Amino acid sequence: AQTVTQSQPEMSVQEAETVTLSCTYDTSENNYYLFWYKQPPSRQMILVIRQEAYKQQNATENRFSVNFQKAAKSFSLKISDSQLGDTAMYFCAFADYQGGSEKLVFGKGTKLTVNP
Amino acid sequence: DAGVIQSPRHEVTEMGQEVTLRCKPISGHDYLFWYRQTMMRGLELLIYFNNNVPIDDSGMPEDRFSAKMPNASFSTLKIQPSEPRDSAVYFCASSPGEYGNQPQHFGDGTRLSIL
Repeated sequence: AQTVTQSQPEMSVQEAETVTLSCTYDTSENNYYLFWYKQPPSRQMILVIRQEAYKQQNATENRFSVNFQKAAKSFSLKISDSQLGDTAMYFCAFADYQGGSEKLVFGKGTKLTVNP
Repeated sequence: DAGVIQSPRHEVTEMGQEVTLRCKPISGHDYLFWYRQTMMRGLELLIYFNNNVPIDDSGMPEDRFSAKMPNASFSTLKIQPSEPRDSAVYFCASSPGEYGNQPQHFGDGTRLSIL
């Protein structure tokens, strides 16, 4: 079974600085997708960024970028120029869609606090 | 566009009572998912539907839990009888499928407290 591990339960960063959240996963599949979701105190689950495993180029969305290392099965999220509104739980998620399955497997999350 | 709509936002009830959580997916989305989030276990998939048909219910914890999708615009998750350990945030999500090209969109969740 696929597993997703986020080894940092909590992190903090000063406003305007850069922070990297780590995520590793375990799978025997070659084609799959990886996601980062953000959950602010309002409880919404918001998609931050998505990476397709067959694409070597790292995904970028404004201040958010990933470092995807397929061989190492690593998928870290970098937040540049951190803002107070980035304070949230961040979840890494994996999907391989094998056999038509649409299941997402989530990590336990990293609580990020951005300090003024 | 309206997102995934869940109701109620909060539910507090006594042990043994029946609880019904409701979800309206995004129009045109063929897939609907029910998740449970707790501090101990994180975010767990309970069940998901494709075109109103349950595809995978392996995450449903026990027979006290049941889910239905009578039509493309409505789903319910029912717990009967409820127990204190069912206290959690329950999320509904929907997607058009197409694998990772169209990721899941989540509702705001229902915070359930069983006393």
